[in-house]
Amino acid sequence: DTGVSQDPRHKITKRGQNVTFRCDPISEHNRLYWYRQTLGQGPEFLTYFQNEAQLEKSRLLSDRFSAERPKGSFSTLEIQRTEQGDSAMYLCASRSGLAGDFFGPGTRLTVL
Amino acid sequence: KNEVEQSPQNLTAQEGEFITINCSYSVGISALHWLQQHPGGGIVSLFMLSSGKKKHGRLIATINIQEKHSSLHITASHPRDSAVYICASTGGNQFYFGTGTSLTVIP
Repeated sequence: DTGVSQDPRHKITKRGQNVTFRCDPISEHNRLYWYRQTLGQGPEFLTYFQNEAQLEKSRLLSDRFSAERPKGSFSTLEIQRTEQGDSAMYLCASRSGLAGDFFGPGTRLTVL
Repeated sequence: KNEVEQSPQNLTAQEGEFITINCSYSVGISALHWLQQHPGGGIVSLFMLSSGKKKHGRLIATINIQEKHSSLHITASHPRDSAVYICASTGGNQFYFGTGTSLTVIP
């Protein structure tokens, strides 16, 4: 599989629980992005990695959110103490220079 | 912040019609992207362009840098083209997304 993959595709959790999502970018893509998309809206930027370095974070990313890319390959996005407002599609995208941007299928989170 | 505006927000067309979706952005960019999202599905990148015109099958994307405007055209539309089409600009390290155009093509 040469595309961006995300796991899980769907997650239902109770308010207050912690959740973790994983993104596997295209091999050798050095940039990795996390976005959040709520119903009826366009995606919103959350954070961005250049290799293993987290270079930019949106103010949307509260202290309950943390993202890592420990070896510059896959990335994880963790949400602690989930709230109903966290319900959204979480999208990962990877980029490599002139090759353009490739989006993963997303993880749909539902917080009950 | 680079604001991206799309029009129309919703579009219904008969199968076979020529479709145009417009996108305007407010500041200089490095690239303009057209993305497609089917209901409940992930996002697929259709085009990335910084000048001129690109064509892929029945899809054509154009950009006018001076006017800060881009268009996505679909020729001979088909019901499987029904999706949300999102325009996004990159002027740095991140995308700035439009709210999308929901297209429904009726057989």
